[in-house]
Amino acid sequence: GESVGLHLPTLSVQEGDNSIINCAYSNSASDYFIWYKQESGKGPQFIIDIRSNMDKRQGQRVTVLLNKTVKHLSLQIAATQPGDSAVYFCADYSGTYKYIFGTGTRLKVLA
Amino acid sequence: DADVTQTPRNRITKTGKRIMLECSQTKGHDRMYWYRQDPGLGLRLIYYSFDVKDINKGEISDGYSVSRQAQAKFSLSLESAIPNQTALYFCATSDPGGGTIYFGEGSWLTVV
Repeated sequence: GESVGLHLPTLSVQEGDNSIINCAYSNSASDYFIWYKQESGKGPQFIIDIRSNMDKRQGQRVTVLLNKTVKHLSLQIAATQPGDSAVYFCADYSGTYKYIFGTGTRLKVLA
Repeated sequence: DADVTQTPRNRITKTGKRIMLECSQTKGHDRMYWYRQDPGLGLRLIYYSFDVKDINKGEISDGYSVSRQAQAKFSLSLESAIPNQTALYFCATSDPGGGTIYFGEGSWLTVV
């Protein structure tokens, strides 16, 4: 069935280093992808998105890469800060109403 | 102020009781959703609505009902709560045709 998954449940990164969070999706018809950050006790916050006609998109300290050939999505966070500690998950959209959400990766930033 | 507001944020209720979770949004979107989040699982869709007259079941609608009172308001009801409905519930909204989906802060519901 359709699924969006994450390779690592927990990622520990030293403060100041770059973080890379990965995501695999299975629906080749998906044309829109989103990364969310969810802090404890809060709702998911939009970080960055990318459409299927793009391979890369950059935001402030974040970059999303899309590899449609292998159905893989990654989120890169530059110069990771303590405030980046949270659960990150990806989502893909394949039309009408259906968003498929991953289970999330917990990012821990070590001082 | 939050674009998507949920009330209550936390509720403990007893098995068999009726409980309503309310949601309002100020983004002017037509599409609204209710999701459930459980540990180790991705967000699962309970119900979605494309406009006031269009309400649809999601993948886990059993035991839930919804009401779209206005474009900006979408409530979720548990007619007779049971313990396995203990979860974190999110209301969300999106533009027509998909696009970014925006979430509320969540409603923690515990059924004892």
